[in-house]
Amino acid sequence: EPEVTQTPSHQVTQMGQEVILRCVPISNHLYFYWYRQILGQKVEFLVSFYNNEISEKSEIFDDQFSVERPDGSNFTLKIRSTKLEDSAMYFCASQIPGGRDTEAFFGQGTRLTVV
Amino acid sequence: GDSVTQMEGPVTLSEEAFLTINCTYTATGYPSLFWYVQYPGEGLQLLLKATKADDKGSNKGFEATYRKETTSFHLEKGSVQVSDSAVYFCALSDSNKIIFGKGTRLHILP
Repeated sequence: EPEVTQTPSHQVTQMGQEVILRCVPISNHLYFYWYRQILGQKVEFLVSFYNNEISEKSEIFDDQFSVERPDGSNFTLKIRSTKLEDSAMYFCASQIPGGRDTEAFFGQGTRLTVV
Repeated sequence: GDSVTQMEGPVTLSEEAFLTINCTYTATGYPSLFWYVQYPGEGLQLLLKATKADDKGSNKGFEATYRKETTSFHLEKGSVQVSDSAVYFCALSDSNKIIFGKGTRLHILP
């Protein structure tokens, strides 16, 4: 069964450093998302991406964050100058076109720890 | 904006008990509704979905019915198992994203 793959599974970084979280969506999907989940809390929407541009972003997704689909297969989330409060599980998801009826498939997540 | 409210956990039940996890939503349009499940140490998996009013989603013995009149999508299972222990997220989709509730942690005791 096709799946969304995220790497690394766990990333530890020092405060102020930049990190890049990587995702390989399912191959025929065209919508891509990043979500984050602070330990034990709700799953928060960060950004959606379609046709090589951001469709929507949340208040969390400020200038510190950026997304890119550099080569047609990977979908990356870059966090510049990480802060302690960026520590969370980050989930990538992808979805086929079809609007709100279709499910989003989620990766296993990258646990980011900022120290 | 659109939002999802679900009952707070944790919910602790004995094996074979009946389960209900309440979920209500607020939406300006006609969203699709989902239940996702997160097993310990894993990502989010779709459990079931319903795309229009009065639709019933079902999977693995779980059911939920899209009730437009009460804006609800309660999750039910007649007889839970220890393996159902997980966090359950109610969610809705709007045009550009899926919006999740806060999640309900379920513990099933043998």
